[in-house]
Amino acid sequence: EIVMTQSPATLSVSPGERATLSCRASQSVSIKLAWYQQKPGQAPRLLIYGASTRATDIPARFSGSGSGTDFTLTISSLQSEDFAVYYCQQYNNWPPYTFGQGTKVEIK
Amino acid sequence: EVQLVESGGGLVQPGGSLRLSCAASEFTFSNYWMHWVRQGPGKGLVWVSRVNIDGRSTNYADFVKGRFTISRDNAKNTLYLQMNSLRAEDTAIYYCVREHRAFDIWGQGTMVTVSS
Repeated sequence: EIVMTQSPATLSVSPGERATLSCRASQSVSIKLAWYQQKPGQAPRLLIYGASTRATDIPARFSGSGSGTDFTLTISSLQSEDFAVYYCQQYNNWPPYTFGQGTKVEIK
Repeated sequence: EVQLVESGGGLVQPGGSLRLSCAASEFTFSNYWMHWVRQGPGKGLVWVSRVNIDGRSTNYADFVKGRFTISRDNAKNTLYLQMNSLRAEDTAIYYCVREHRAFDIWGQGTMVTVSS
């Protein structure tokens, strides 16, 4: 099973600032890496797939990068609606499909 | 609007059974692999099970193998999860998810509580 490790667990950022979230896989997942955003009481929403491709209707301030074992989600200028929990997921080696434990982006 | 709507959750005693349903609308359901993902109270996302387009190929997380069964009825545009021998640790929100370029469409979830 591929273990996905996200860091940090919590990121405190001021609105308008840049946020950088990391995700590391225990073995290579190529670019089969997705990022999801989840707000309280809501289902997750796909942000990024293929490590760097934005999903439909996702703003350009969200960008993903990386390949192999190390990945990054960058939010270039945080808006109030971006404060949420973010999960990475690998879909290269399954079963199981595995998620990271999440990074909570909170208001500083 | 492309939509997945789960139902069937509720309170069940340990050892009991539940069947979850997920109704799909506004897309060709039979063209997509489908999954169940769960989230325990205050916890992260955990993949549970996957079914291919015709229902003949399935996969399960180890912790539900032998207890849960995923299935689909393409004529009814519906995904199912039969859950038997339920345990307290199965308490979670269960999400129905479409796979297309990762997990692109999620239902709103249905809560399953296993407690005496």
